[in-house]
Amino acid sequence: QKEVEQNSGPLSVPEGAIASLNCTYSDRVSQSFFWYRQYSGKSPELIMSIYSNGDKEDGRFTAQLNKASQYVSLLIRDSQPSDSATYLCAVNGVNTGFQKLVFGTGTRLLVSP
Amino acid sequence: GAVVSQHPSRVICKSGTSVKIECRSLDFQATTMFWYRQFPKQSLMLMATSNEGSKATYEQGVEKDKFLINHASLTLSTLTVTSAHPEDSSFYICSANGQANSPLHFGNGTRLTVT
Repeated sequence: QKEVEQNSGPLSVPEGAIASLNCTYSDRVSQSFFWYRQYSGKSPELIMSIYSNGDKEDGRFTAQLNKASQYVSLLIRDSQPSDSATYLCAVNGVNTGFQKLVFGTGTRLLVSP
Repeated sequence: GAVVSQHPSRVICKSGTSVKIECRSLDFQATTMFWYRQFPKQSLMLMATSNEGSKATYEQGVEKDKFLINHASLTLSTLTVTSAHPEDSSFYICSANGQANSPLHFGNGTRLTVT
């Protein structure tokens, strides 16, 4: 089992719709969870971080964390074509070292106008 | 916010030469930096963890004698690709964070092309 799993996609949504991106992780002691966005040919940029169970909202983005289910998700409301990118889920935990992140393979999102 | 600067952004070199890539944390001190490699349409692959003042820790399958890492100060890590070959052509990205459990911030990456 991979440490961090994501559906590779592509996930296709129409402009204005909600895009839902999901991620599961295997390390039960994971403490920190991050979503990054990566445009083709560019390096990843941080979108959201979440550390406790529940929802965290920032603009059009909402991160959701359920530690019991070892599940973290990212919702993008009012999706725009500019949101088309690969979204990487990253998890940190004691077993991976305090600063080392384990990345999923990413989900490619396509938002059509 | 935290800024990581990486240089150069793009380099083309001939097979057999060495290339040095610099990674700097501009507004925070980073005792640990990470070097990733990404081939086209593939995911990020961690190559090594750079530790200030000590030897780097390499991931399985990464040749330490080929990818030399030096982390001489709290704000600078360098990756040298020695005797580069065309198969080393890739997108190399460094990252760092200021403290444990905080997000990693990435440099803009270096696109290496070996001819």
